[in-house]
Amino acid sequence: SAVISQKPSRDICQRGTSLTIQCQVDSQVTMMFWYRQQPGQSLTLIATANQGSEATYESGFVIDKFPISRPNLTFSTLTVSNMSPEDSSIYLCSVDLGDHEQYFGPGTRLTVT
Amino acid sequence: QKEVEQNSGPLSVPEGAIASLNCTYSDRGSQSFFWYRQYSGKSPELIMSIYSNGDQEDGRFTAQLNKASQYVSLLIRDSQPSDSATYLCAVPGGSGGGADGLTFGKGTHLIIQP
Repeated sequence: SAVISQKPSRDICQRGTSLTIQCQVDSQVTMMFWYRQQPGQSLTLIATANQGSEATYESGFVIDKFPISRPNLTFSTLTVSNMSPEDSSIYLCSVDLGDHEQYFGPGTRLTVT
Repeated sequence: QKEVEQNSGPLSVPEGAIASLNCTYSDRGSQSFFWYRQYSGKSPELIMSIYSNGDQEDGRFTAQLNKASQYVSLLIRDSQPSDSATYLCAVPGGSGGGADGLTFGKGTHLIIQP
């Protein structure tokens, strides 16, 4: 597996503001992903973040709302822009270590007031 | 659109018994299947992967795959209270049909009664 960290672990933000979440992994990985887990729900894939290319977004998620950076093989950021209460969720990054096996970071719990 | 279906539960099983969790998937082309365990307030943890028809065993856990029926199951033998968690089934690819990432079921909440 891999050791994955996320910052911040939680935050409370006001509507209309933006928050950038960081994800750091202890080894170089090609594929990183961002997921959202809304309260009481399962995980939904937001986007795939590969180093050296633009992020690929799933249906219902757009770059203007969730810009992603992937500057190197161990780091990625997800920004939640112009937040509304509906963005209150847990945001998780994951890495694919081969054969589609994914390992998750601890998550960032976001509350928008 | 790719879908993964699970009974949300809760599934209540007495300690020491076998817990059986089920999952069906819509994409007949799926080749690999994963079970994650998620404790309340924690992130998902990969516990089993299965890639071919039949059984895959790891300790007290057995994953079973039947591609013809598009059905995956997870058996937990000698259930312990520490097994109480939500179990998520996942297949590769986004729900919109992309090849990367995972599509998850809604998860089954398992309760092991002491």
